Amino acid sequence: KAGVTQTPRYLIKTRGQQVTLSCSPISGHRSVSWYQQTPGQGLQFLFEYFSETQRNKGNFPGRFSGRQFSNSRSEMNVSTLELGDSALYLCASSLEEGAGGYTFGSGTRLTVV
Amino acid sequence: GENVEQHPSTLSVQEGDSAVIKCTYSDSASNYFPWYKQELGKRPQLIIDIRSNVGEKKDQRIAVTLNKTAKHFSLHITETQPEDSAVYFCAASKTGNQFYFGTGTSLTVIP
Repeated sequence: KAGVTQTPRYLIKTRGQQVTLSCSPISGHRSVSWYQQTPGQGLQFLFEYFSETQRNKGNFPGRFSGRQFSNSRSEMNVSTLELGDSALYLCASSLEEGAGGYTFGSGTRLTVV
Repeated sequence: GENVEQHPSTLSVQEGDSAVIKCTYSDSASNYFPWYKQELGKRPQLIIDIRSNVGEKKDQRIAVTLNKTAKHFSLHITETQPEDSAVYFCAASKTGNQFYFGTGTSLTVIP
């Protein structure tokens, strides 16, 4: 059974550019959540999608957005990149609400220069 | 929103000793508390979890305790081994799949 797959693994972008990250959840998982991990702030919740609908949203600016497709794959987009957006972006999937802990992907390491 | 605090931020123990990591949460409606282990350069992995209707749960050398009244929960690792060295995160959740994570504890097990 394949795990949560995130692409790309590494990304270098210039300030002001935009970026799209992709996440394929475990087969059958309909809930996909995104987190930003930085040394100073730890794991911070970005948003969660379930059946193509955003169910929860964290406290991030509107430059961060996402979507989920009918096959449960999800993308997140960051526009007008800032240096402070450099982080590890983790995607996690779960069967459904209340089903238990996430399974995380390996993450996308984004560096903004 | 929920606020999860985790202590200590770093912890060093001798191999074979026990390690305890503590977390507190602020929202009494939180009802699910997972613990994750993250080794250097790897993804966080769920190691144990507990729901609010249970006070304690064990899985081999790992146990988690929950005190709903005091709003704190703890991870206990007994007979620590070098491979237990990692960063451990606690988290709290009430509804949906929005988890609030603690800031992590870097555990070093000294052989």
